[in-house]
Amino acid sequence: GNSVTQMEGPVTLSEEAFLTINCTYTATGYPSLFWYVQYPGEGLQLLLKATKADDKGSNKGFEATYRKETTSFHLEKGSVQVSDSAVYFCALSPSGGSYIPTFGRGTSLIVHP
Amino acid sequence: GAGVSQSPRYKVAKRGQDVALRCDPISGHVSLFWYQQALGQGPEFLTYFQNEAQLDKSGLPSDRFFAERPEGSVSTLKIQRTQQEDSAVYLCASSLAVEADTYEQYFGPGTRLTVT
Repeated sequence: GNSVTQMEGPVTLSEEAFLTINCTYTATGYPSLFWYVQYPGEGLQLLLKATKADDKGSNKGFEATYRKETTSFHLEKGSVQVSDSAVYFCALSPSGGSYIPTFGRGTSLIVHP
Repeated sequence: GAGVSQSPRYKVAKRGQDVALRCDPISGHVSLFWYQQALGQGPEFLTYFQNEAQLDKSGLPSDRFFAERPEGSVSTLKIQRTQQEDSAVYLCASSLAVEADTYEQYFGPGTRLTVT
């Protein structure tokens, strides 16, 4: 079956530090890949997505590149802010007509001033 | 601009009680998903509707769980004879389409169910 593995949290950084949250996946075919963010007390929001190999999704200074050879979709940001503190979920949507998405368990990011 | 809303936001039920959780999706969204999110975990798929048709309920953990969307808009997730293991956050998400390249889900804030 499909699976998504994320690095364990919490990730604790100082403001303006570089962020990487690792995500690897297992799936057949060519799934679409997503990063969702959940701010405290709010629902999940789509942060970025990539639908085919070598695509780069980007939004709000965050980036992730769909790497089929390493089955990875790592999230990066060059300079984090306190307001980026949230839980980040990596997810995949399978190809081939199925629609059931698979989420990782989430990685908590805490950014200190 | 209304997003996905869910009610109640918090529900405490005694073991054995029935509960009903409501989801109001974004107007015009065809697809509606229910997820269960345990503490410290990602969302786990429960069931999926396309308009009023329940196309997949493979994620429902037992026959105590039942979902409906009779008019293709509002959906209700019902849990009968609640058990402590049902304690979780129940998330609803809607989407304009199901094709993978337009597959963006909009999530509600969730209902936190605690069974005592």
